[in-house]
Amino acid sequence: KQEVTQIPAALSVPEGENLVLNCSFTDSAIYNLQWFRQDPGKGLTSLLLIQSSQREQTSGRLNASLDKSSGRSTLYIAASQPGDSATYLCAVRPDSNYQLIWGAGTKLIIKP
Amino acid sequence: GAVVSQHPSWVICKSGTSVKIECRSLDFQATTMFWYRQFPKQSLMLMATSNEGSKATYEQGVEKDKFLINHASLTLSTLTVTSAHPEDSSFYICSARDREKYNEQFFGPGTRLTVL
Repeated sequence: KQEVTQIPAALSVPEGENLVLNCSFTDSAIYNLQWFRQDPGKGLTSLLLIQSSQREQTSGRLNASLDKSSGRSTLYIAASQPGDSATYLCAVRPDSNYQLIWGAGTKLIIKP
Repeated sequence: GAVVSQHPSWVICKSGTSVKIECRSLDFQATTMFWYRQFPKQSLMLMATSNEGSKATYEQGVEKDKFLINHASLTLSTLTVTSAHPEDSSFYICSARDREKYNEQFFGPGTRLTVL
């Protein structure tokens, strides 16, 4: 059974720092992996999607990597800003017809 | 990018009434839509998966007679909370899978339901 874990559960850093959020999964046979952002009381915004054949995806200051063999993905945020404060969720899709398996999220606070 | 809308964004109702939430994919066809519930400070919990034109598949512990799901078209799914009670108060989020984009899921903004 696929399980997704995110560490740390919460992170608080000063503005301007580069930071890494971690996501691990127990079964390396995945179809794809997505990173999402959720602001308090709001819905989800998809940040990056990495297909199983890809090693990384980049969007602006965000870079997500995928290492299937070790069951890990990282979300790298460069030059963090207070507006990056949110909960970041990692989700794995085991195969193309299966629903997402969710991590519990990392709550990120960027201090001005 | 693909957009999913939900209506209403928030609703307050009396205990015992029924509430319908709509989820629409605005610029793509979604053969599959998902309904999630999220309690405060918790992650998303999948309630059910609905495929266009067929009955929804409910997760264990979710009452199908209480949470009625209809997915009548490729762009619309509805969730009806029947005879709502205060414990049904939650944040309900739908998502739609775009079959043209590696089955990527796009999420609606959510609906905040408060049952008095």
